[in-house]
Amino acid sequence: AQKITQTQPGMFVQEKEAVTLDCTYDTSDQSYGLFWYKQPSSGEMIFLIYQGSYDEQNATEGRYSLNFQKARKSANLVISASQLGDSAMYFCAMRVYGGATNKLIFGTGTLLAVQP
Amino acid sequence: DGGITQSPKYLFRKEGQNVTLSCEQNLNHDAMYWYRQDPGQGLRLIYYSQIVNDFQKGDIAEGYSVSREKKESFPLTVTSAQKNPTAFYLCASNPLAGVYNEQFFGPGTRLTVL
Repeated sequence: AQKITQTQPGMFVQEKEAVTLDCTYDTSDQSYGLFWYKQPSSGEMIFLIYQGSYDEQNATEGRYSLNFQKARKSANLVISASQLGDSAMYFCAMRVYGGATNKLIFGTGTLLAVQP
Repeated sequence: DGGITQSPKYLFRKEGQNVTLSCEQNLNHDAMYWYRQDPGQGLRLIYYSQIVNDFQKGDIAEGYSVSREKKESFPLTVTSAQKNPTAFYLCASNPLAGVYNEQFFGPGTRLTVL
C-alpha cells in the first residue's frame, strides 16, 4: 500500500532561519513523484516543489529544496531564510505513475509557525 | 486568467438536505478530483474523473455523487446519506499527458451542516 507519513504535527522556526519538514513515503513501485504543497489559513493549496523518483539531483525552487533520500524513502522539504509569510500547513504528497488512477496520496501535514 | 473556481466559499445547510458544490476549470485539463479535508488530517479523495462522462470512486465516496457532463465542470453532491458532511472540500485538476503533473487546486468550499 502507498502511504505518506509526516511525523511533525507542528513546528516553530525563527524568522530568517532554515527549517526542515520531514516526509517519508512507502511504495513498492519504481516510478513515482513526490510533491510538496503549502496551505495558508485561507485554504488554497499552493504547489511548491516536485521530485521524480528517477531524478538524481535534489529539486530546488527558490528558497525551497527537497532533500531526497531514495534508499531511506524520505523527501524532506527544506525552507531557507524563513519568512513570516511561510507560516502555513505543509503537505507532502506522492503520485505513482503507470497506475489507473494517477491520484495524489497526501500526508497529514505539518503546521509551521514562523516567529519574528 | 486560467484557474479553478469553486463556489460558494462558505455553505450552510440543514441536516438531511442534499447540497451541490460547484467546481469549474478553464485550464483544459482532462482529469478532475474532489477531496475532503478534516481538521488535523490530510486530503482524502472522494471522486475523480479522467474524461467526460466517466468518473471513479475514491477512498471515501460513500454519501457523495458527481457528474462530468462537460470537461470544464465537475460538481459534487453531498447527499443526506453522508453521515458527517461538515468539512472543507477542495477540487483539483491536472492534464493527463506529461511526465509529471502537479495538481492545481481551487480555493475550496467550507460546508457546515447544522
